[in-house]
Amino acid sequence: GENVEQHPSTLSVQEGDSAVIKCTYSDSASNYFPWYKQELGKRPQLIIDIRSNVGEKKDQRIAVTLNKTAKHFSLHITETQPEDSAVYFCAASRGANSKLTFGKGITLSVRP
Amino acid sequence: DVKVTQSSRYLVKRTGEKVFLECVQDMDHENMFWYRQDPGLGLRLIYFSYDVKMKEKGDIPEGYSVSREKKERFSLILESASTNQTSMYLCASSFDRASDQPQHFGDGTRLSIL
Repeated sequence: GENVEQHPSTLSVQEGDSAVIKCTYSDSASNYFPWYKQELGKRPQLIIDIRSNVGEKKDQRIAVTLNKTAKHFSLHITETQPEDSAVYFCAASRGANSKLTFGKGITLSVRP
Repeated sequence: DVKVTQSSRYLVKRTGEKVFLECVQDMDHENMFWYRQDPGLGLRLIYFSYDVKMKEKGDIPEGYSVSREKKERFSLILESASTNQTSMYLCASSFDRASDQPQHFGDGTRLSIL
């Protein structure tokens, strides 16, 4: 089955800097890659997703890039703010409504 | 806005008890999912359902069962609770298999088995 790995497991950045979180996946048939943000004590919330027919997607300060050949995708957050501090999960599936396989999550800390 | 509601935020039960966790969604979603979340392990899929009365095993179904008698409700059942089932349980739903819509999560139930 699919295996999704996230690197690093924790990341600390200074406010205003950029943060990059990388994920790798194993199933070449995976074609849907969402990113979820989970603040302390709250539900995971979708922040951006990408499908395999595009290489990059942006939404204000966040972007996701996908390299199908290397089977990895990355979340980029620019101009980080303290409210970006959270756990971020990447996931992969063979379609938006297929079974999602999640990475273990990365804790992002933004230092004021 | 999608609303996925889990019946309890916190629940304490005893070893050997039969435990029911309930999840209801109000957006007529066909797909529903149960995950457990443990520190350092991420979200792991227990069971999912694509339609009423249908269920499929996820990655860690042992010790659990599910019930989907109505489209809006998906129940997770711990047949005989054990301490290693102490965890955060998250329910999610999504539209249908033919469309391309993401999963939406509930607030979670933190279950402690004593």
